[in-house]
Amino acid sequence: GAVVSQHPSWVICKSGTSVKIECRSLDFQATTMFWYRQFPKQSLMLMATSNEGSKATYEQGVEKDKFLINHASLTLSTLTVTSAHPEDSSFYICSARDMGTEYEQFFGPGTRLTVL
Amino acid sequence: GQNIDQPTEMTATEGAIVQINCTYQTSGFNGLFWYQQHAGEAPTFLSYNVLDGLEEKGRFSSFLSRSKGYSYLLLKELQMKDSASYLCAVIDSNYQLIWGAGTKLIIKP
Repeated sequence: GAVVSQHPSWVICKSGTSVKIECRSLDFQATTMFWYRQFPKQSLMLMATSNEGSKATYEQGVEKDKFLINHASLTLSTLTVTSAHPEDSSFYICSARDMGTEYEQFFGPGTRLTVL
Repeated sequence: GQNIDQPTEMTATEGAIVQINCTYQTSGFNGLFWYQQHAGEAPTFLSYNVLDGLEEKGRFSSFLSRSKGYSYLLLKELQMKDSASYLCAVIDSNYQLIWGAGTKLIIKP
């Protein structure tokens, strides 16, 4: 149980295009989902916390107009990187918190974004 | 400020035992996680401690001392597949997960 999927697993795009990443909790309902970014050889950096049906809460330094987050249902959250640039190339990971387990976060497999 | 410290890198020998330490200073405490992360993959859950003491799970054990703001992850009978980064994370008083930078563990034959 507690499986989280992400799609796509990797994407290569041209500078200036927008990329959407989906995060789904497959066998549980997640009221809260988290989006992380991880650059090579660095730890996870929380970008935003997404609650179902409400606006996401962004961490300091993360541009909410550039990283659009939508959490329309208890099983789906999307992150859209708008007008992507090479510096946005990173490993994006989502996690979801099960309604039944208060603290544990279950991670998706991650999405490798490369912007040319 | 909130801070979690763990060694950047450790090296150990296959079959041996290694202890990865984590110290934390956070605004409140609601538990501590250890995650394993292989290169290019997402983290996977190893353990959760909220009370003082040792939690054992197979080859892996995790210890917590809340009064000292200290935890360690103990890995026994090391295998080559244990080469990975080990992340310590603390839940603060706002129920936010604060991440350490991770410890890269290198296992040598």
